[in-house]
Amino acid sequence: NAGVTQTPKFQVLKTGQSMTLQCAQDMNHEYMSWYRQDPGMGLRLIHYSVGAGITDQGEVPNGYNVSRSTTEDFPLRLLSAAPSQTSVYFCASSWNRPYNSPLHFGNGTRLTVT
Amino acid sequence: AQSVTQPDIHITVSEGASLELRCNYSYGATPYLFWYVQSPGQGLQLLLKYFSGDTLVQGIKGFEAEFKRSQSSFNLRKPSVHWSDAAEYFCAASGSNDYKLSFGAGTTVTVRA
Repeated sequence: NAGVTQTPKFQVLKTGQSMTLQCAQDMNHEYMSWYRQDPGMGLRLIHYSVGAGITDQGEVPNGYNVSRSTTEDFPLRLLSAAPSQTSVYFCASSWNRPYNSPLHFGNGTRLTVT
Repeated sequence: AQSVTQPDIHITVSEGASLELRCNYSYGATPYLFWYVQSPGQGLQLLLKYFSGDTLVQGIKGFEAEFKRSQSSFNLRKPSVHWSDAAEYFCAASGSNDYKLSFGAGTTVTVRA
């Protein structure tokens, strides 16, 4: 099993550009989430989904959109990139709520916005 | 507000020495507590978790953590560190009604020969 796969690994954007970070999991997990990791701030939740067709906002959702059309995929869209969105982005999934089942993380996407 | 605090940003330890990483939480009720480890260039991996019961929990890679309600702490320990333990360690917490984990800022561990 591949687990949680994120693409791309690295991306450089110019301010105002849009892009989609891809996340796919092959474990049939219902719960999927996106975190961003910034130095000294740990991981902060951007958006999460508890199943296909259901998404909700986390702590820092502004500037990001998500959708969940299938169980496997949970893409994160940056509509108009800003330098403040320079970060490392992690997708994570679990079979149930994260307190009740361990989160499986992808290897991350390092995004730089200039 | 719910929060998780890791007071130490960076710890350096000699190989073979013991390691203790501190974690404090602020939650309305006793949360579910976790320690995750992140090796360079990788995602996070669960080391151990505390839900209830025995306050000393064992995890993978020889790690253990002790829950102390009176101190709102959940410190991670390892008796003898190996060079491969060099990584960043995150403490996290969640309530039973939460759909998220709250992470601390992380502690980077450097292991010297």
